[in-house]
Amino acid sequence: DGGITQSPKYLFRKEGQNVTLSCEQNLNHDAMYWYRQDPGQGLRLIYYSQIVNDFQKGDIAEGYSVSREKKESFPLTVTSAQKNPTAFYLCASQGAVAKNIQYFGAGTRLSVL
Amino acid sequence: DQQVKQNSPSLSVQEGRISILNCDYTNSMFDYFLWYKKYPAEGPTFLISISSIKDKNEDGRFTVFLNKSAKHLSLHIVPSQPGDSAVYFCAASAMNYGGSQGNLIFGKGTKLSVKP
Repeated sequence: DGGITQSPKYLFRKEGQNVTLSCEQNLNHDAMYWYRQDPGQGLRLIYYSQIVNDFQKGDIAEGYSVSREKKESFPLTVTSAQKNPTAFYLCASQGAVAKNIQYFGAGTRLSVL
Repeated sequence: DQQVKQNSPSLSVQEGRISILNCDYTNSMFDYFLWYKKYPAEGPTFLISISSIKDKNEDGRFTVFLNKSAKHLSLHIVPSQPGDSAVYFCAASAMNYGGSQGNLIFGKGTKLSVKP
């Protein structure tokens, strides 16, 4: 059945290491998004992509990078430049039919070792 | 500066009673509003939405009210059930303006606890 799959569910990063979080959707949605959630905070937008091979910075893009080579996939790399990476990361997608309703994956919790 | 505010971090209600979750916004360009429900360690689930051309939208036990002049919306849950216990996020977008303005802006959430 259709949905958004994020993997892994839990991820640990060592000092100075880059890690990549996977997000795959089979909903045929054009737009995809990455958010970060910290305790007691709302969702903050990291990067978004409205079409393949194009993406834009969100509010907190520093220390992160993305790619959008396929419609189904929007991986997020947390680089060593991100000094406070511990958070819950959420991927979402949005289609053309139900505009502005974003559908979310189950999330990845990233922790620093 | 927060454009979408949920001023109550938590709310506790008795099973069977009404739950009212509030949300305020500052950007008058917002024209579409959504409520999401989130359980711990899971992604948010879309609950209900409302366009700025309406003042009320109902879906089963859930009703969203929009007061544009006050820049305020509320989510009513009647009757509340223990399974409704979750964090509720309000979100807004400027749908008709396109581009990055179509992106969702989220509030910080309200944790609802429904006691049996």
